[in-house]
Amino acid sequence: QKEVEQNSGPLSVPEGAIASLNCTYSDRGSQSFFWYRQYSGKSPELIMSIYSNGDKEDGRFTAQLNKASQYVSLLIRDSQPSDSATYLCAPRKKLTFGKGTLLTVNP
Amino acid sequence: EAGVAQSPRYKIIEKRQSVAFWCNPISGHATLYWYQQILGQGPKLLIQFQNNGVVDDSQLPKDRFSAERLKGVDSTLKIQPAKLEDSAVYLCASSLESTRIKYFGPGTRLLVL
Repeated sequence: QKEVEQNSGPLSVPEGAIASLNCTYSDRGSQSFFWYRQYSGKSPELIMSIYSNGDKEDGRFTAQLNKASQYVSLLIRDSQPSDSATYLCAPRKKLTFGKGTLLTVNP
Repeated sequence: EAGVAQSPRYKIIEKRQSVAFWCNPISGHATLYWYQQILGQGPKLLIQFQNNGVVDDSQLPKDRFSAERLKGVDSTLKIQPAKLEDSAVYLCASSLESTRIKYFGPGTRLLVL
């Protein structure tokens, strides 16, 4: 079983909608996670980190961590075309990535 | 604050040739990572250094790949000999320590013909 699994998509949403990105993980010892965004042809950049169960909000982004179910999610409210990118999640202690989810926001 | 620097940005070689990539992490960052990202996939960790010591190289194909971080600052990643399947973007990242935010360099795009 891979350490981190994501639905590779593509996920397509209309502008202004909520985009929901999910990630499941196998290591119960993982306590916190990073979400990175990667534009085509660019390097990953950190957009959110979450260190405890529950939700963390930052502007239009909300990260959710559920340790019991071993999943972490990222919600993007009021999606914009500029949000179109691949989103990668990774455990904070060991930065091993899943395949990422390609998000396309249609104007 | 300067970011992670990598060179070259692009490299085209023929199979069986050798190639080397260089990375200069953010000043003061003790942890350095090399990743391989094949088109359409997430970055795959090749090797992690803590200062000049190797923490994890379990996914490094050691028959052809080697990496070093002399003096605990700059790092080089070498492939010898290259294969067609090594065509990828090689990303370097650094962090203050292993559990802190990782910052990525611009990457080196390698094409093996």
